[in-house]
Amino acid sequence: DQQVKQNSPSLSVQEGRISILNCDYTNSMFDYFLWYKKYPAEGPTFLISISSIKDKNEDGRFTVFLNKSAKHLSLHIVPSQPGDSAVYFCAASGGSQGNLIFGKGTKLSVKP
Amino acid sequence: GAVVSQHPSRVICKSGTSVKIECRSLDFQATTMFWYRQFPKQSLMLMATSNEGSKATYEQGVEKDKFLINHASLTLSTLTVTSAHPEDSSFYICSARGGGARTEAFFGQGTRLTVV
Repeated sequence: DQQVKQNSPSLSVQEGRISILNCDYTNSMFDYFLWYKKYPAEGPTFLISISSIKDKNEDGRFTVFLNKSAKHLSLHIVPSQPGDSAVYFCAASGGSQGNLIFGKGTKLSVKP
Repeated sequence: GAVVSQHPSRVICKSGTSVKIECRSLDFQATTMFWYRQFPKQSLMLMATSNEGSKATYEQGVEKDKFLINHASLTLSTLTVTSAHPEDSSFYICSARGGGARTEAFFGQGTRLTVV
């Protein structure tokens, strides 16, 4: 049973527009959420995180929104750039062990 | 961000042999290290979590006798794939976290293991 779900395997966006990547989770013990960016044959790179005590966190072009009641978070990238093209993973952590559980990823393609 | 170094980046081994993968946190002390496996076009599957000085906690379905994890110091964890088989061929990635459960983890570059 997937605890972290990214239901869109891919997303294509025009350069300059907003990219919105979505993530849902089922485990109510999760209280810390992260987004990572990954290129093929490389380890993921940390982008941005949010604690469950917040509903929004912003860092430059990246903003993460958290809706705890819906168990849903999203990553907004604006404006999108061709260099943003990569696979984006949503991850969640919580509980005493704090295991970091990943979604299946969404492949973002930003077209010039 | 913090630096995590994983070595080797690529290894080819024969069936039946063992392979060791190292994961080092270079500029911070990693209280927790995670080992993941990524199959083609799939997510990162958590294999095990280890805290320095204690035994690793393995996820369901992961054979602890086959995937030996050692986290002997605050900067080094190793994953040894024992008696490797072709189905063990995969991309293995480690990550390290210096703080508690509500801090980010940083990832190594990954290791492409091919068993022939």
